[in-house]
Amino acid sequence: DGGITQSPKYLFRKEGQNVTLSCEQNLNHDAMYWYRQDPGQGLRLIYYSQIVNDFQKGDIAEGYSVSREKKESFPLTVTSAQKNPTAFYLCASSIDDNEQFFGPGTRLTVL
Amino acid sequence: QQPVQSPQAVILREGEDAVINCSSSKALYSVHWYRQKHGEAPVFLMILLKGGEQMRHEKISASFNEKKQQSSLYLTASQLSYSGTYFCGTALAGGTSYGKLTFGQGTILTVHP
Repeated sequence: DGGITQSPKYLFRKEGQNVTLSCEQNLNHDAMYWYRQDPGQGLRLIYYSQIVNDFQKGDIAEGYSVSREKKESFPLTVTSAQKNPTAFYLCASSIDDNEQFFGPGTRLTVL
Repeated sequence: QQPVQSPQAVILREGEDAVINCSSSKALYSVHWYRQKHGEAPVFLMILLKGGEQMRHEKISASFNEKKQQSSLYLTASQLSYSGTYFCGTALAGGTSYGKLTFGQGTILTVHP
């Protein structure tokens, strides 16, 4: 079955640690996205990539980094520079500007 | 700039209708609508394109008023399964970053038996 997966589902991190969230898709989509969702709020774009080896900052990129070495994979690193990283992180993919398919999400908690 | 959704929340009885609005201060190329159940990923409902026709997904339809830069989602004869948070995502006209969406803050829809 084609789809988009994220791991882990829950992640706990100590302050000052970097952590990497995984996102993999087998839909053969060129575009991939990372969003952050806080309670009661909408989705805010962190980074997006339209093609392998290229990515752009979204609206809230500070404290985050990404890579796009393979079409299928778009990992997100939450660095210690991110002041308030506790949130629900969603990865998505799409063909061009069509519908975005979302992964199940990773809930990150900083202890 | 984030689009504004209204209302923030709506409560319905099964079978009632509802309208959710999404307004932008900038010229739009497209509007996407998604529904998210609590703790789950958003699920795509439909896309409205500039110059396009009104779309429909089962008993849910939507329109896009290009002059007002506003989209409306119409939920007809609501079912319990319609409960969730509805988000609009907007793509700006004339942009080079296609696929980049800015989402509204969401509208919480609750349908009671």
